[in-house]
Parts: sequence; structure tokens; C-alpha cells
Amino acid sequence: GQQLNQSPQSMFIQEGEDVSMNCTSSSIFNTWLWYKQDPGEGPVLLIALYKAGELTSNGRLTAQFGITRKDSFLNISASIPSDVGIYFCAGQPMDSSYKLIFGSGTRLLVRP
Amino acid sequence: EPEVTQTPSHQVTQMGQEVILRCVPISNHLYFYWYRQILGQKVEFLVSFYNNEISEKSEIFDDQFSVERPDGSNFTLKIRSTKLEDSAMYFCASMNSGNTEAFFGQGTRLTVV
Repeated sequence: GQQLNQSPQSMFIQEGEDVSMNCTSSSIFNTWLWYKQDPGEGPVLLIALYKAGELTSNGRLTAQFGITRKDSFLNISASIPSDVGIYFCAGQPMDSSYKLIFGSGTRLLVRP
Repeated sequence: EPEVTQTPSHQVTQMGQEVILRCVPISNHLYFYWYRQILGQKVEFLVSFYNNEISEKSEIFDDQFSVERPDGSNFTLKIRSTKLEDSAMYFCASMNSGNTEAFFGQGTRLTVV
């Protein structure tokens, strides 16, 4: 089945450090999205990627859609305490109802 | 900024009871979804709805589940006879057109006791 493997599972970093997380799959995806989820809340969209090879930034966030359409990474530069949360990658499979398949999440903790 | 709203935020129900979770998607959106997240786990797709019918559903979405769009604004998820394992956060999401960003509501925490 379609699965997204997300890594690392968790990260505990110092404020100011850069962070990188990624998702891979054996399936091709149409679109990759990166979400952040705070405790008890819904996922909030950070970045959407549509084209293979696309590199997109949103403030301190940068994400890329892999050239094979099977992977993506998210970088956060100069982390701050409010970056704490769980980051999920999500892919829209080809030939679907535009549903999203989610990765297992990366829990980010930032030490001030 | 337009947002997806869900009610209630928390629902506690007895096993075997019916529950209805409600969502108001963003007004000009056409695609609607329900997802589920068991505590500490990833978000899982349940069902997609477009043009007043289900377009896709997962194996989780069995005969106990149903969805409706009873009027032009609400989108509901009904669980006919709740089980303990139905306890989870349920998220509604909507999308303007295919292949664009899906926006999520704040979720309903369902606790089955």
C-alpha cells in the first residue's frame, strides 16, 4: 500500500540550530504537503509542493519535492522555541480522490 | 481568514451510542474529507466526499460510518454504534479543487467509554 516513511521520529535541538526532516515512499505522489500540529489542535499547512524538483520557501522553512516524486524534505533554519510541535509530511497519491497519506510525524523539541 | 470549523470540540459517549460530528468547511471549497488520529499516532484518511457523494473511503470507514452534507454548509460524520477503539481525534478537511492544499479543522476529540 501507499506509505510515507518519515524520519527522524524526534529531534531535540538547541535554539538557533537548523533542522532537517524527510519523507520517502516507494509510491509516486502528485503533491507533497508539510503540516505542523500543536497538541490538541489540527494540522496547519506550512508548505505545498506540486512539481518534481520544486524548491519552496516560507520564511525560515524550505521544502523540496524530490525529482522522482517519491520523497521530500523540510528544513527549518535558526529554530526558535515556538517551532516546537509535530511535523507531518503528507502526499496526495496519483489517481485518488485527492486524499492525503500522512507520514508518522517528527516531534521537534527546542531547548531555549 | 476563512477556516474549517468543527463542533463539538470534545464528545464523550457510551459504547454503542450514535454520535454525529459536525464540520463547516470553507465556503467555496468543493472537496471534503474526514480523517482520524488515534492518540500519539499519525493522521489517517477515512473518507472523501465530492459532488454530494463519497468518492473514496478507507478500510476504516466501515458500515458503522456515514457522511452527509445535509445543506450547503455542513458536513457531518456519523458513527452509528460507537466502539471503544473509535476513541480518537476526528479532523474535517476541505479543499478548493483537486491537487491543491487541504485545510484542516481543529478537530473533535471523541472519547468512547
